[in-house]
Amino acid sequence: GDSVTQMEGPVTLSEEAFLTINCTYTATGYPSLFWYVQYPGEGLQLLLKATKADDKGSNKGFEATYRKETTSFHLEKGSVQVSDSAVYFCALRGNQGGKLIFGQGTELSVKP
Amino acid sequence: SAVISQKPSRDICQRGTSLTIQCQVDSQVTMMFWYRQQPGQSLTLIATANQGSEATYESGFVIDKFPISRPNLTFSTLTVSNMSPEDSSIYLCSVEDRHRGSSGANVLTFGAGSRLTVL
Repeated sequence: GDSVTQMEGPVTLSEEAFLTINCTYTATGYPSLFWYVQYPGEGLQLLLKATKADDKGSNKGFEATYRKETTSFHLEKGSVQVSDSAVYFCALRGNQGGKLIFGQGTELSVKP
Repeated sequence: SAVISQKPSRDICQRGTSLTIQCQVDSQVTMMFWYRQQPGQSLTLIATANQGSEATYESGFVIDKFPISRPNLTFSTLTVSNMSPEDSSIYLCSVEDRHRGSSGANVLTFGAGSRLTVL
């Protein structure tokens, strides 16, 4: 079945450091890919998405490119801030709709 | 985008009791999803609830333990029955948000969750 694998956390960075959180997936067909973020004590929020190969999703300085050849959707940000500290979830949804399948989540902690 | 309200936001429950979580959406939606997030874990789908039909449960989840109601297109409830400490989790309601589907990906929007602690 479809699945998502993320790099394990926690990831600890200094402010203004470069961030990469790796995400790879297994799916049939052409799923849509998502990054969700969960800030401490809050609900899950959509961060960005991509619906087809080579699409780049971006939001709040974060970017991720849908790479079908490597089945990846790595999350990047050039300069992280303390306020980016959160848990980040990579997810996919099949092209027939239905449920969202999540990776295990990666906790990011940014120190001043 | 759709606005989802969940109640209660948190509760502390005694072993053996049951609790019903409500999910109210500010627009009509066809599909509603109930997820569970155990402490420090990812989100796992419990069931999909479509209005007018029985909920569809994922492997490992059964109706007797997690009965779901879906009386109309804006509301659903999830009951956690005969609770044990292992049921301590955040339970999240999610809907397909067609307002954000302009690129063809119908995004799922989540409620803030209901944090249950079972003693």
